[in-house]
Amino acid sequence: NAGVTQTPKFRVLKTGQSMTLLCAQDMNHEYMYWYRQDPGMGLRLIHYSVGEGTTAKGEVPDGYNVSRLKKQNFLLGLESAAPSQTSVYFCASSAWDGTGETQYFGPGTRLLVL
Amino acid sequence: DQQVKQNSPSLSVQEGRISILNCDYTNSMFDYFLWYKKYPAEGPTFLISISSIKDKNEDGRFTVFLNKSAKHLSLHIVPSQPGDSAVYFCAASDADSNYQLIWGAGTKLIIKP
Repeated sequence: NAGVTQTPKFRVLKTGQSMTLLCAQDMNHEYMYWYRQDPGMGLRLIHYSVGEGTTAKGEVPDGYNVSRLKKQNFLLGLESAAPSQTSVYFCASSAWDGTGETQYFGPGTRLLVL
Repeated sequence: DQQVKQNSPSLSVQEGRISILNCDYTNSMFDYFLWYKKYPAEGPTFLISISSIKDKNEDGRFTVFLNKSAKHLSLHIVPSQPGDSAVYFCAASDADSNYQLIWGAGTKLIIKP
């Protein structure tokens, strides 16, 4: 089991460029999430999905779009990158453990927008 | 308004001693709490969780305590080991919000040899 993987690991963009971050999980989890983490702050939820074909907005969705065409994949898109989107992006998937949803994370993607 | 707060940005503990990390929350609807550990350049790793129907959960060297009346939880690590040096995040969720996690800002734990 690879768990949760993210592609790419690191990327530099110029302002206005677009890119897609790919998240894949092999644990057959229904729920998937995209977070960003900025220095001195906890993780903030961008978008999430409760199943194939569904997506929903999180705490900080502006400037991002997502798609969940296949259960195992969750894509995060930046249509027109801005310096404020410089961050570390984490993808997670979750499973019900009997009392709550426990999330399992990928290694992260470092994005620098110049 | 921060619903989950970790007021200590960092904590330094001698190897072999007990490490106590604290977390406060404001939303009384939270019913599931988790602790994650994060090393640099890696994703957070799930450590331990606790449901609001319990006040303690143990897993090896790690114990989480929940005080619902004080809206406070703590993570105890005994004994502390050098490999425990990491950033620890607490997170909380409730069924009404689809179990979305609300995260604290993290506490950097440094274990001194």
